[in-house]
Amino acid sequence: SYVLTQPPSVSAAPGGTAKISCGGNNIGSKTVHWYQQKPGQAPILVISYDSDRPSAIPERFSGSNSGNTATLTITRVEAGDEADYYCQVWDNVIDHRGVFGGGTKLTVL
Amino acid sequence: EGQLVESGGGLVQPGGSLRLSCAASGFTISTYYMSWVRQAPGKGLEWVSVIYIVGTTYYADSVRGRFTISRDNSKGTLSLQMNSLTTEDTAVYYCARQLDYGDAFDVWGQGTVVTVSS
Repeated sequence: SYVLTQPPSVSAAPGGTAKISCGGNNIGSKTVHWYQQKPGQAPILVISYDSDRPSAIPERFSGSNSGNTATLTITRVEAGDEADYYCQVWDNVIDHRGVFGGGTKLTVL
Repeated sequence: EGQLVESGGGLVQPGGSLRLSCAASGFTISTYYMSWVRQAPGKGLEWVSVIYIVGTTYYADSVRGRFTISRDNSKGTLSLQMNSLTTEDTAVYYCARQLDYGDAFDVWGQGTVVTVSS
């Protein structure tokens, strides 16, 4: 089965830039979605189709995907961005199944 | 925009069964792919199952043969029948929608807690 690998934690200073990676075999050939989850809350979509941002999500959030790594970038980091972030793809090699990365805890210093 | 509300969670003994429901409002469930995603305590998200608009279903290896996803378009509800439950099934269960094949989960419910324990 397809595996997505994320770093367990990433930190950034307020006003700085956070980059969260999501590794997978030839992930650049897949479509990657990113979710933010704060404690006790349901996940929310922050980036779809590698780099599309829902209208309610600030422009500070962006995504890219190439080769074996997809990346979620958050610029001008704010305290409110502290959360867990998950990447997700659909794996249709055998059948159609969803795959999530293990999640990355973003800490705002 | 749409809203999803899960129900049916609770405490169940190992080997038992439970049926979760997810009620949709603000959109027509029949025009969306619908999934269940779960999160064990302190762990990450795990996709469980999806049902296509045409009714085709797929399952994670961890639940295949024990869980059954279904939808009632007339009632606007999604269900998950869970049988032969183990402690490994303890989690918050979320329902989520996607507009098309391969699409992102753009709306999530608030989750319902399932605890499997003796």
